[in-house]
Amino acid sequence: ELKVEQNPLFLSMQEGKNYTIYCNYSTTSDRLYWYRQDPGKSLESLFVLLSNGAVKQEGRLMASLDTKARLSTLHITAAVHDLSATYFCAVDEETSGSRLTFGEGTQLTVNP
Amino acid sequence: NAGVTQTPKFRILKIGQSMTLQCTQDMNHNYMYWYRQDPGMGLKLIYYSVGAGITDKGEVPNGYNVSRSTTEDFPLRLELAAPSQTSVYFCASSAQGGRWNQPQHFGDGTRLSIL
Repeated sequence: ELKVEQNPLFLSMQEGKNYTIYCNYSTTSDRLYWYRQDPGKSLESLFVLLSNGAVKQEGRLMASLDTKARLSTLHITAAVHDLSATYFCAVDEETSGSRLTFGEGTQLTVNP
Repeated sequence: NAGVTQTPKFRILKIGQSMTLQCTQDMNHNYMYWYRQDPGMGLKLIYYSVGAGITDKGEVPNGYNVSRSTTEDFPLRLELAAPSQTSVYFCASSAQGGRWNQPQHFGDGTRLSIL
């Protein structure tokens, strides 16, 4: 059974600081997705990572994938309050076709 | 472009009642999914469909049923509501499955309480 673990689960940081969210998964996969969820809202796709070494950047967020280590990171640079949300990674297990297994999410709060 | 539309947005049910959560998408996606999200948790897959007439169980299918008679619609049925089914339900769709590089697109969710 595929397991996806994120850490930290809760992150409180100051504006302007940098931090990294980690996503570990337990089985072979080269398909990993990052989503953002604002309170009471739906999930918004942030990044699609499709191969070992993939790196994607959008604004202050950068995601990477290391399939050998079964690890993805979401790096936040110079955080701003608007980044406050819950971030989920989701892994598409190779044998499942297109079924995603989600991590528990990292609740990020950026304080002024 | 409406994307994935879920109805209703909120519902309160009594134990033992039945209901159908509706989901429709206008993107001509062949893959559709139902998830539940419990408070403070990630999403768990209930059922999914790879095309009209084809459905399969996800991680937590017990207490639910689905059907897929058209590409656009993927309703989720709760037959005998139980308090453990109190959750937020999300429907999602994707083009040709996640392996074709497309992320899943999510609806706004249905917030369901069973009392």
